[in-house]
Amino acid sequence: AQTVTQSQPEMSVQEAETVTLSCTYDTSESNYYLFWYKQPPSRQMILVIRQEAYKQQNATENRFSVNFQKAAKSFSLKISDSQLGDTAMYFCAFMKHANFGNEKLTFGTGTRLTIIP
Amino acid sequence: GAGVSQTPSNKVTEKGKYVELRCDPISGHTALYWYRQSLGQGPEFLIYFQGTGAADDSGLPNDRFFAVRPEGSVSTLKIQRTERGDSAVYLCASSAGLQETQYFGPGTRLLVL
Repeated sequence: AQTVTQSQPEMSVQEAETVTLSCTYDTSESNYYLFWYKQPPSRQMILVIRQEAYKQQNATENRFSVNFQKAAKSFSLKISDSQLGDTAMYFCAFMKHANFGNEKLTFGTGTRLTIIP
Repeated sequence: GAGVSQTPSNKVTEKGKYVELRCDPISGHTALYWYRQSLGQGPEFLIYFQGTGAADDSGLPNDRFFAVRPEGSVSTLKIQRTERGDSAVYLCASSAGLQETQYFGPGTRLLVL
């Protein structure tokens, strides 16, 4: 079974600064996917970024980038030039590669990020 | 619609009652997932549909929980004889197919008194 660990329950940072959220995972799989989802108070989970384990290049999406260290089983999220709208819960998630379903996501417990004006 | 929708947004019921939670996936998405999110936790997998069939229901906690997707689109999660421990946010997600990203709805917050 896979596990995902987010060791930072809460973080806060000043607007326009850079912040890094940590995530580690445990798996015996060699091929899988990793995700960061954002959950604002509206409850809707919004995909921030996705990384395929077989790709060495770290994924980026505008101000969001990841540091994927496969050997260390680490997948951190960096948010640059943070904005007030980035305030939310952030969840790291794992999905193993499967030829026939089941493609369930395994989530960490989340990090509550607050951007301070 | 443009995204996954779930109804109702909130549901309050009494212990022992029956409830149904509905999920409308993104049009054309073949895969549909249900997750449960307890307070302060990440979502936990309940059940996965590929088309009309439940491909994996290993996350359903007991036989009081059941889900259907009769026409391969809308899905209903059914909970019988509700218990206070069933109180949580129930999230639905859909994806376009294998290995594709899951897109989530806003969830239904269930409160069992």
